[in-house]
Amino acid sequence: QQQVKQSPQSLIVQKGGISIINCAYENTAFDYFPWYQQFPGKGPALLIAIRPDVSEKKEGRFTISFNKSAKQFSLHIMDSQPGDSATYFCAASWSGSARQLTFGSGTQLTVLP
Amino acid sequence: GAGVSQSPSNKVTEKGKDVELRCDPISGHTALYWYRQRLGQGLEFLIYFQGNSAPDKSGLPSDRFSAERTGESVSTLTIQRTQQEDSAVYLCASSLRLAGVKPGELFFGEGSRLTVL
Repeated sequence: QQQVKQSPQSLIVQKGGISIINCAYENTAFDYFPWYQQFPGKGPALLIAIRPDVSEKKEGRFTISFNKSAKQFSLHIMDSQPGDSATYFCAASWSGSARQLTFGSGTQLTVLP
Repeated sequence: GAGVSQSPSNKVTEKGKDVELRCDPISGHTALYWYRQRLGQGLEFLIYFQGNSAPDKSGLPSDRFSAERTGESVSTLTIQRTQQEDSAVYLCASSLRLAGVKPGELFFGEGSRLTVL
């Protein structure tokens, strides 16, 4: 019930391409879905987040698409850049868990120059 | 500094020894979380502190793990009789406790990398 499944495990794209990372969840009580970005040797940092009352949220080159009925959400990185190379984690939380985040297993993104 | 500070950044210990990991949260952040990140894996919740409330210890993997927090400041994660499977990066995060149940952004430290030989 608490699991968040993330795919793919690793992703390689060319500079300027679109990177897409997918996540699926089971607990219908989840009501907050953030994405975190982690560079080597650093802690994760919030990238973008969405609530289930909207189907899409865009911030610059980063877009979250949310499908409540399918219990899936995805991160799209447009015009991917080498500086986007990092590990991306999707996560989910709900108020009953004291906002404890349940994380996906992570996607290692490499953007080739 | 303005961020979450963790120490030590790296710790190598022998199997069976005890270790203490320290976290200084961002000033004013009432919520504090510990997560464990094994190599190539996601973040595993360990424990959560919120103000003076009883901590949520539901993620602690065994009774060898314990954590304390002094008020709304420093937290210490202690691992007793370390085992090789305890090798991981231990991440601390803090956040503002917003009104009601609104989610707050978690701010993570850079982690303490523990290697148990």
